[in-house]
Parts: sequence; C-alpha cells; structure tokens
Amino acid sequence: EAQVTQNPRYLITVTGKKLTVTCSQNMNHEYMSWYRQDPGLGLRQIYYSMNVEVTDKGDVPEGYKVSRKEKRNFPLILESPSPNQTSLYFCASGGDNTQYFGPGTRLTVL
Amino acid sequence: KQEVTQIPAALSVPEGENLVLNCSFTDSAIYNLQWFRQDPGKGLTSLLLIQSSQREQTSGRLNASLDKSSGRSTLYIAASQPGDSATYLCAVSPWATDSWGKLQFGAGTQVVVTP
Repeated sequence: EAQVTQNPRYLITVTGKKLTVTCSQNMNHEYMSWYRQDPGLGLRQIYYSMNVEVTDKGDVPEGYKVSRKEKRNFPLILESPSPNQTSLYFCASGGDNTQYFGPGTRLTVL
Repeated sequence: KQEVTQIPAALSVPEGENLVLNCSFTDSAIYNLQWFRQDPGKGLTSLLLIQSSQREQTSGRLNASLDKSSGRSTLYIAASQPGDSATYLCAVSPWATDSWGKLQFGAGTQVVVTP
C-alpha cells in the first residue's frame, strides 16, 4: 500500500531535549516536505526536499533541521525544542505535482 | 509574499445542498493550485489539482475553477452529503523553477453537512 508514515504519532517532551520525528514514504517520490499546523495559522511549510541531498527552507524553518540522505526518508530534527514548537506536524511526499500526506505527529513541548 | 485566504472559515449546510468554497491568492504567478480535504485527526487528502494553464478540473461531484487574473479559485461540491463534512484547504505553488513543492496554504473552511 502506498503511504507516508510518521513516527511517533504523539510525543510529549521538555524544553531543550533533542528529538527526531521520522518520515518514510514507499512511493519512490523525489519530493518530500514537512509542515506544521497551528490553530488560526493553517499549515506552514518548514522545509522541503526536491531530491536526495537537496533541501530548502520553507516559511518557518527556524529551530528545525532536516536531512535527506536517501530517497525514502526525511527526518525532522529539533535540536533544542521550545514550547512555541508545540504543534501538529505533517510529512508529505510528492510526484506529478501532487502531494501525499502522512497521518501527523502531535508534539507537545513543556 | 503570497497570501492565501479562504472565506468563510466555517460553513454549515443541510444535506443535498450544493457547497461553494472560496480561495483567493494575492500573487497570480502560480504554478498550480490544489484543493485538499482534512478529516479530524487525520492527514490531508488531495482532491483536485489545477495547473496554471487550466481553468477548471472535475472529479465526480467536485469541480474546481481557477481564475488567475482575479486571484481566485472556487471548489463546488454538488449534492452535499454528511460524509463531505471536513475541513477543505487550498494551496498554491509559485511559478519558479523547481519550486512547485513550495506550497502556501489557506487556513481552510470547516464544512458541516447536516442530515
């Protein structure tokens, strides 16, 4: 089954404790992206990647890192999480100009 | 900077009525425009994609139009059903090389279809 998977689905952590949210797709897509969704602000793009080893900033990249070492994986790294990074995070992959979204990761930073 | 607006933020209609959802954008230099559906607690599902050279796309009961000159797109859902209850989001990507993935989303319209 074609899908985008994210782990974990739910995470509660404390300020400053490094964390990684994994994203994996099985559709051989070149494009992958991370978004955050906040009430009243909608979805905002954090980073995207058009291919392996090619990444670019979206609208809200501050406080986040990504890497794209292989086509299927695109992890999101928060080196020192802060409470303002509490949000719902979505990973997406794409081909033919459309995107397929993962189920989301709800992150709470205390 | 591109701004995408969806009005109204919420909409409630009785079953069987046609739904009309609006999306406006400030920069007409777009590569494409997409409509997505989001169910509570779930990710987004792509409904329709309109390339900048197209004026509309249709899929079943859904029809989306695009007017770049006025910066507007409209999603029509015919004969609404309770299963159409969800949040609908539009997103545009800029007209730039290798930037089709740089999506800008509207905040969405939350739709409730009452039986």
